[in-house]
Amino acid sequence: SQQGEEDPQALSIQEGENATMNCSYKTSINNLQWYRQNSGRGLVHLILIRSNEREKHSGRLRVTLDTSKKSSSLLITASRAADTASYFCATSDMRFGAGTRLTVKP
Amino acid sequence: EADIYQTPRYLVIGTGKKITLECSQTMGHDKMYWYQQDPGMELHLIHYSYGVNSTEKGDLSSESTVSRIRTEHFPLTLESARPSHTSQYLCASSTSGQPQHFGDGTRLSIL
Repeated sequence: SQQGEEDPQALSIQEGENATMNCSYKTSINNLQWYRQNSGRGLVHLILIRSNEREKHSGRLRVTLDTSKKSSSLLITASRAADTASYFCATSDMRFGAGTRLTVKP
Repeated sequence: EADIYQTPRYLVIGTGKKITLECSQTMGHDKMYWYQQDPGMELHLIHYSYGVNSTEKGDLSSESTVSRIRTEHFPLTLESARPSHTSQYLCASSTSGQPQHFGDGTRLSIL
């Protein structure tokens, strides 16, 4: 079975709102990565957080990591219609979850 | 700006044909991966390689085979395609501790 599991499976919000996606994993990790996938395309790396980090920021993205709970969250602030995509977490052994499909309505 | 290339982008072919999906990267990455992904679904790791002449099967059983004769090249072959092989195939590469770079995928349809 896959290592990471995202929650929720689908999320629909209005432009300007914040979007939060969660990821749980099963085993020990060195790092956790978040990726974005536009429909019909490959994945694009967004942010990597190492196991000794608790929070990381990149532009409108904020990632947290709780290794005791084996969970991570991705927050996208001030969402835009262009943020519409699927978002995946991946563990350091390159296993992916099922993703969260985010729709941002203009 | 892609540094990892997959060809063909789309392929529609009949049952029983031999297929090779190409994947090349120009970044000198030692690790390369193949994933299978049905539309809107999760990625399943089917093969990976940590270097030349090293290949391993992933989590999802696949009838495909791979080879890694050169660092930059990681082709995937289906000896006899079946409708159950219809899917999107994504290739990725990375180096230790760094995120993966993905190609745009090959969308395969077996009639």
